[in-house]
Amino acid sequence: KAGVTQTPRYLIKTRGQQVTLSCSPISGHRSVSWYQQTPGQGLQFLFEYFSETQRNKGNFPGRFSGRQFSNSRSEMNVSTLELGDSALYLCASSFQLGSGSETQYFGPGTRLLVL
Amino acid sequence: GNSVTQMEGPVTLSEEAFLTINCTYTATGYPSLFWYVQYPGEGLQLLLKATKADDKGSNKGFEATYRKETTSFHLEKGSVQVSDSAVYFCALSPTANFGNEKLTFGTGTRLTIIP
Repeated sequence: KAGVTQTPRYLIKTRGQQVTLSCSPISGHRSVSWYQQTPGQGLQFLFEYFSETQRNKGNFPGRFSGRQFSNSRSEMNVSTLELGDSALYLCASSFQLGSGSETQYFGPGTRLLVL
Repeated sequence: GNSVTQMEGPVTLSEEAFLTINCTYTATGYPSLFWYVQYPGEGLQLLLKATKADDKGSNKGFEATYRKETTSFHLEKGSVQVSDSAVYFCALSPTANFGNEKLTFGTGTRLTIIP
């Protein structure tokens, strides 16, 4: 079974631009979560989608948004990019049986550099 | 809120040495606990997990036991190899709380094994 895939793997943008990142979960997985990883802040939760609905949101400004499609693929968008948005953005998927002990499986990440 | 406190790194060991990376947590209820590993330039890989007190997770020679009395989930390996060099993250996920399963991560511990 194919793992979580993320595209693109690397991206360079300039301040003020916007960017869209894509994530395809493991087949059959219904939940997709996004995390931001930076050297200073570590791994921080952005948001989680389940059945095309955002269920949870982390403490990020409204410039960060996302969506999930009917096939569970997800995209996240960052508008008006700032230098501090440079990070590795990780997507994770899980099946979501509802037990709360679901394992999240991570993709390789998209490394975003904002100049 | 939930939090994970992880042993500060970096940790440098010789090949075949014994490894311990400490992890303690704060959470309400009975969270699930995870260790993820990140190799250079890659996303996170699940190393092992435990979902209830006294459970022992194990994989690739690594072990960790869920100790509720000490709120700990320390990672151990009896004999490390150069290929174990990576960053290790301890994480928790709330249990029995469908719809709120975001992972809370520790800061990560960089491990370097010297031949």
